[in-house]
Amino acid sequence: KAGVTQTPRYLIKTRGQQVTLSCSPISGHRSVSWYQQTPGQGLQFLFEYFSETQRNKGNFPGRFSGRQFSNSRSEMNVSTLELGDSALYLCASSGGQGLTDTQYFGPGTRLTVL
Amino acid sequence: AQSVTQLDSQVPVFEEAPVELRCNYSSSVSVYLFWYVQYPNQGLQLLLKYLSGSTLVESINGFEAEFNKSQTSFHLRKPSVHISDTAEYFCAVMDSGAGSYQLTFGKGTKLSVIP
Repeated sequence: KAGVTQTPRYLIKTRGQQVTLSCSPISGHRSVSWYQQTPGQGLQFLFEYFSETQRNKGNFPGRFSGRQFSNSRSEMNVSTLELGDSALYLCASSGGQGLTDTQYFGPGTRLTVL
Repeated sequence: AQSVTQLDSQVPVFEEAPVELRCNYSSSVSVYLFWYVQYPNQGLQLLLKYLSGSTLVESINGFEAEFNKSQTSFHLRKPSVHISDTAEYFCAVMDSGAGSYQLTFGKGTKLSVIP
């Protein structure tokens, strides 16, 4: 089985722009969750989608949004980028019921905001 | 809001020595507990988890963690470490709030195994 894939792997944007990141889960997995990893704040949970519905959400401002398509692929969008949004964005997929099941992580998208 | 504390940011240990990575969390109401590991140049992966039942949980590579509700802790231990255990370890706690689940991570502990 192919693992979780994320595109693009690297991205450079400027402040004020918006960005869309993509995540393709393992085939058959319906839960996709997103995380932000920075040296200062560590790993933070953004949100989880299950069968096209946002089911759980972390404490991030509304500039961070996401969606999930019928084939379980998910996108995360960040609008009005700030310097502090520079981070490694990870997505993970899981079978079963989602966050309490084993999550399989992708390699991440490294976003740099200049 | 839940907070997760990993007291040690770095832990150096000699090969074949025992190790304990500490994790404490703030709120003990109905939590699920996880340890994740990130090996050098590899993605994050789940090491073990506690959802219910026995408070001692084990991983396939010899790590174990014990859920201690009274001390709100979920420390990770291994009796004899190997060079291949060198990695960063993250403790995470899931609890419910406002109708949804929140997953909160600790800042991570870098385990360096010295030959």
